Amino acid sequence: EPEVTQTPSHQVTQMGQEVILRCVPISNHLYFYWYRQILGQKVEFLVSFYNNEISEKSEIFDDQFSVERPDGSNFTLKIRSTKLEDSAMYFCASSTQGVSYNEQFFGPGTRLTVL
Amino acid sequence: SQQGEEDPQALSIQEGENATMNCSYKTSINNLQWYRQNSGRGLVHLILIRSNEREKHSGRLRVTLDTSKKSSSLLITASRAADTASYFCATNDYKLSFGAGTTVTVRA
Repeated sequence: EPEVTQTPSHQVTQMGQEVILRCVPISNHLYFYWYRQILGQKVEFLVSFYNNEISEKSEIFDDQFSVERPDGSNFTLKIRSTKLEDSAMYFCASSTQGVSYNEQFFGPGTRLTVL
Repeated sequence: SQQGEEDPQALSIQEGENATMNCSYKTSINNLQWYRQNSGRGLVHLILIRSNEREKHSGRLRVTLDTSKKSSSLLITASRAADTASYFCATNDYKLSFGAGTTVTVRA
């Protein structure tokens, strides 16, 4: 069964460093998303991406964040200068249609630890 | 915000018992979705119920939706130890909005 994959599973970085989190969505999906979950808190939406551009983003997704689909398969989240409060699980998701119509499929997550 | 909120926050049951959890939301929806998250893992989609549906089944799961009360329930029948997880409802506008979840512990 096709699934969303994410790498790495765990990333440790120093404050101020740049990190890139990678995702491979399900191949025939058109909509891509990033969410994060700070330990013990709710899953929070960061950004949605369709047709090679950001369709929606939350207030969390500030100028430190960017997303890219560099080729036909990968979908990346870049944090330019990490802060301690960026420590969280980051989940990538994809869907065939927009969220109003069907479910999203989530990857296993990348645990980001900022020291 | 259309964020779903689950109730109760935590539930502990014996294997074989049923588990029921509820979700309330604030505004109109196209659909409502339930997800499961095992500790430290990703979210697994369980079931989607559309706004024009009242009840939906999937295996041991039964979901109801009452749009007049802006609420939904998830019933897990004949629970197993493997059902131990956190369960989230998610409502949608342009994104999924998750509640804090119900943590279900199934005791063997």
